[in-house]
Amino acid sequence: GENVEQHPSTLSVQEGDSAVIKCTYSDSASNYFPWYKQELGKRPQLIIDIRSNVGEKKDQRIAVTLNKTAKHFSLHITETQPEDSAVYFCAASGKTSYDKVIFGPGTSLSVIP
Amino acid sequence: DAGVTQSPTHLIKTRGQQVTLRCSPKSGHDTVSWYQQALGQGPQFIFQYYEEEERQRGNFPDRFSGHQFPNYSSELNVNALLLGDSALYLCASSFLEGAQYFGPGTRLLVL
Repeated sequence: GENVEQHPSTLSVQEGDSAVIKCTYSDSASNYFPWYKQELGKRPQLIIDIRSNVGEKKDQRIAVTLNKTAKHFSLHITETQPEDSAVYFCAASGKTSYDKVIFGPGTSLSVIP
Repeated sequence: DAGVTQSPTHLIKTRGQQVTLRCSPKSGHDTVSWYQQALGQGPQFIFQYYEEEERQRGNFPDRFSGHQFPNYSSELNVNALLLGDSALYLCASSFLEGAQYFGPGTRLLVL
């Protein structure tokens, strides 16, 4: 079945450094890849997403890259701040609006002031 | 513009009981998906409702069922509760091929 793997499971960085989280997916039909940030006790919040017709997308300090051939995608956070500390989930979904979204297991990011 | 809302926020049940959780989608959204999130794990897809019908289902037993109403709101029902059903239940709404936006979740504890 569909599967999304995510690495690392935990990540600690100094404030101001960059953080990179990597994901791989198994279903080659996947074409939509959202990233969610979940703070403790709160709902997952969409921070950025990318579709398979695009190789990279940026939004201020956050960027996502996609390699469809290798079936992997990555989240890059630059100039990290303490408020970036949270659990980050990557996910993959298929072509149609009713394809289920499969989530990775999450990466716990700690930004040390 | 109200976002996705869920009720109740917390619930305590005992094994064997039944539970109903509720979700109201974001304004303009017509599709509701339900997820189970165990502690320390990613959300696991339960099922998705569109036009009052279940159109996708994850690997969950028939004890998990749902409903969508004409106003697009949705319910998740779980029968014969097990201890392992204790989790945060999240609903997410979307429109066409747009992104899914999550509600705050219902934390269910089964004793």
